[in-house]
Amino acid sequence: AQSVTQLGSHVSVSEGALVLLRCNYSSSVPPYLFWYVQYPNQGLQLLLKYTSAATLVKGINGFEAEFKKSETSFHLTKPSAHMSDAAEYFCAVSRGQGGSEKLVFGKGTKLTVNP
Amino acid sequence: DGGITQSPKYLFRKEGQNVTLSCEQNLNHDAMYWYRQDPGQGLRLIYYSQIVNDFQKGDIAEGYSVSREKKESFPLTVTSAQKNPTAFYLCASRQGVTGNTIYFGEGSWLTVV
Repeated sequence: AQSVTQLGSHVSVSEGALVLLRCNYSSSVPPYLFWYVQYPNQGLQLLLKYTSAATLVKGINGFEAEFKKSETSFHLTKPSAHMSDAAEYFCAVSRGQGGSEKLVFGKGTKLTVNP
Repeated sequence: DGGITQSPKYLFRKEGQNVTLSCEQNLNHDAMYWYRQDPGQGLRLIYYSQIVNDFQKGDIAEGYSVSREKKESFPLTVTSAQKNPTAFYLCASRQGVTGNTIYFGEGSWLTVV
């Protein structure tokens, strides 16, 4: 069954430093993978998604993620953190096909950005 | 503007009462979902619907019920059988093609008092 593991429930970086949020997936078929961001008391917003077109995926707000099949990973990175990046980030893998497709989420990583 | 509207944003319920959370979308999406979010638990799927008048249980359906009488609406009822209903509830929708993005509403907070 498809699942995701996010390593580190809390990550703290300094403003301007590299952001690295880790996600490993488990899937018996080529997966679709997603990263979402959630600001306090709000819904989830899509940052980027992998659908097998390219292994390096660029998203919004300067984030990108690289799909590595050999490592079953889809880590999220940003070269330089900004205060506005402070939020909770969720990695997700799709399960099912077509209309029955669903997302299975990791438990989330809360990012703190220190001035 | 197109999007997903959840209401109310905040809801308080007394123990033993049923409560219904509203979810409306004007994106013309076929599939709709309800997720529950608890701190440190991520999001867990309650129910989903692929088409009108059809829906399936997710991973934590006990104590919840849904209906899908219209394409744009997917209300969730939290019944008194749900033992721990205090949580943040998120409605979502997507067009029914594999790999398509799931879009989320702004969520509803339910607190049992």
